[in-house]
Amino acid sequence: KAGVTQTPRYLIKTRGQQVTLSCSPISGHRSVSWYQQTPGQGLQFLFEYFSETQRNKGNFPGRFSGRQFSNSRSEMNVSTLELGDSALYLCASSSGRLAGQETQYFGPGTRLLVL
Amino acid sequence: AQSVTQLDSHVSVSEGTPVLLRCNYSSSYSPSLFWYVQHPNKGLQLLLKYTSAATLVKGINGFEAEFKKSETSFHLTKPSAHMSDAAEYFCVVSEPPRGGADGLTFGKGTHLIIQP
Repeated sequence: KAGVTQTPRYLIKTRGQQVTLSCSPISGHRSVSWYQQTPGQGLQFLFEYFSETQRNKGNFPGRFSGRQFSNSRSEMNVSTLELGDSALYLCASSSGRLAGQETQYFGPGTRLLVL
Repeated sequence: AQSVTQLDSHVSVSEGTPVLLRCNYSSSYSPSLFWYVQHPNKGLQLLLKYTSAATLVKGINGFEAEFKKSETSFHLTKPSAHMSDAAEYFCVVSEPPRGGADGLTFGKGTHLIIQP
């Protein structure tokens, strides 16, 4: 089975712009979660989508949003970028049947640099 | 709310000696606990997980962890370190979502250094 894929792998944006990141889960997985990784804050949970619905949400401002399509692919959008949004954004997928207990399989991440 | 504390930000051991990475957790419910490893410029890989079955959990690459409820700990061990074990290790706690709860909560990470 192919693993979790994320595109693009690297991205450079300027303050005020918006960005869309994409994640394709493992075939058959219906849950997709997004995480932000920074040196200062570590790994933080953004949100989880299951069957096209947001099932779980972390403590991030409304500038961070996401969606999931019927094929389980997910996109994450960040509007009005700030310097502090520079981070590695990780996507993880799981079957979604046992929320909170399942292994999540992570993609390689998208490294976003905001100038 | 759930939380996890990794007690050491850096651990340095010699190749061939035992590894101990310490993790304490806090949870209001019966949590699931995980250890993930992240090699430089790579994504996260699951080492092992605990989900209320056996308290001693065996994972990949010779790692294992013991769930101790009385101590709220989930320490990761390996009998003999290998150079390829050098990486960042994350202890993770998870509870079933309860209407907008937290998903996975990660510790700050422990950087494992292997001395030749």
